[in-house]
Amino acid sequence: GAVVSQHPSWVICKSGTSVKIECRSLDFQATTMFWYRQFPKQSLMLMATSNEGSKATYEQGVEKDKFLINHASLTLSTLTVTSAHPEDSSFYICSVQLATDTQYFGPGTRLTVL
Amino acid sequence: TQLLEQSPQFLSIQEGENLTVYCNSSSVFSSLQWYRQEPGEGPVLLVTVVTGGEVKKLKRLTFQFGDARKDSSLHITAAQPGDTGLYLCAGANQGGSEKLVFGKGTKLTVNP
Repeated sequence: GAVVSQHPSWVICKSGTSVKIECRSLDFQATTMFWYRQFPKQSLMLMATSNEGSKATYEQGVEKDKFLINHASLTLSTLTVTSAHPEDSSFYICSVQLATDTQYFGPGTRLTVL
Repeated sequence: TQLLEQSPQFLSIQEGENLTVYCNSSSVFSSLQWYRQEPGEGPVLLVTVVTGGEVKKLKRLTFQFGDARKDSSLHITAAQPGDTGLYLCAGANQGGSEKLVFGKGTKLTVNP
């Protein structure tokens, strides 16, 4: 498998500020990473596919300018929530994909916007 | 659009009971994964099934992929409180997209 870390594990911020979440693949070079958000008692919702060295591919309905994704290296992808608002509060999870379609997930980041 | 229907959505049982969770679709998947997620944590991979009709066992958990690769089931024997969690099935698109299609999950509670 692959070991994936996320930082921070939780963050509280004021409305209008920006928050950066890091996703690291610790033992695997990942050309592709995925970002999901999960609301309480719900399943995962794919936000975007992060591609190393190129622009991310966003799912329909996800604002590109609000959720900035940077995949500058094979082991690091970042998600920046810009001008965060309370409705952005959620559990954000990243994953890396191995060759066999299987994805390995990070531990998640709990974002609370006051 | 490919969809995965998971059932039941909620399941509360007593320790020692058996249970089955189902994951169904009208679409064919190249592979299907099962994950377990605990509150405040990311999903943890349990198994990947690839071949139609395939059966995989992981201790007390038995996973089956339908012959037509449209459905899958997870059977737990003699459930224990440690099995409590959200079980998610996810299918890989046969069209070659790297994205996974997730079911809505089954919230399992095993009471001691």
